[in-house]
Amino acid sequence: AQSVSQHNHHVILSEAASLELGCNYSYGGTVNLFWYVQYPGQHLQLLLKYFSGDPLVKGIKGFEAEFIKSKFSFNLRKPSVQWSDTAEYLCAVRVGAGGGNKLTFGTGTQLKVEL
Amino acid sequence: GAGVSQSPSNKVTEKGKDVELRCDPISGHTALYWYRQSLGQGLEFLIYFQGNSAPDKSGLPSDRFSAERTGGSVSTLTIQRTQQEDSAVYLCASHQNTEAFFGQGTRLTVV
Repeated sequence: AQSVSQHNHHVILSEAASLELGCNYSYGGTVNLFWYVQYPGQHLQLLLKYFSGDPLVKGIKGFEAEFIKSKFSFNLRKPSVQWSDTAEYLCAVRVGAGGGNKLTFGTGTQLKVEL
Repeated sequence: GAGVSQSPSNKVTEKGKDVELRCDPISGHTALYWYRQSLGQGLEFLIYFQGNSAPDKSGLPSDRFSAERTGGSVSTLTIQRTQQEDSAVYLCASHQNTEAFFGQGTRLTVV
């Protein structure tokens, strides 16, 4: 079964610092990749997704992620974080090209941005 | 409805009681998930329904946990003889060939 690893469980940054959160998965075939975000008191929502095509994916609020197939990675980046980016970030993988397969989530990274 | 709806939003129950948590997925979504989010823990997969296929129950932590999905729509997660370690936020999500959409969750507190 596929697995998803997020090695950074807690990250603390100052405003304007750059962010990179790691995500690695274990499956070698076709995958769909997702980053979700959960702001304090809100429900989980999609930040960005990769299905095919350009491996550099742009999402909302200035976030981007790069799919590197050879490294089985889908790291999330933002050049300059804001206090409002404080949230939990979860990476998810779905195996296969179809939509009928289960999403597998990583354990999440709690990001705290300090003023 | 416009999104995934879960009820109740909060539930406090006594240890040993049974609880039922409800999820109304987005209309037309064939896939439905239940997850559990405990304090300081990540998102823990519980069960997955996909269309008419047999559900993937591999994440259920014990036989006290069960779930049904009636008519391919509404789902109910039942926890029997609740324990304090069952306290968590229970999340439901649904999707149809794209990303999953999550409900607000049910915060369960077992006292």
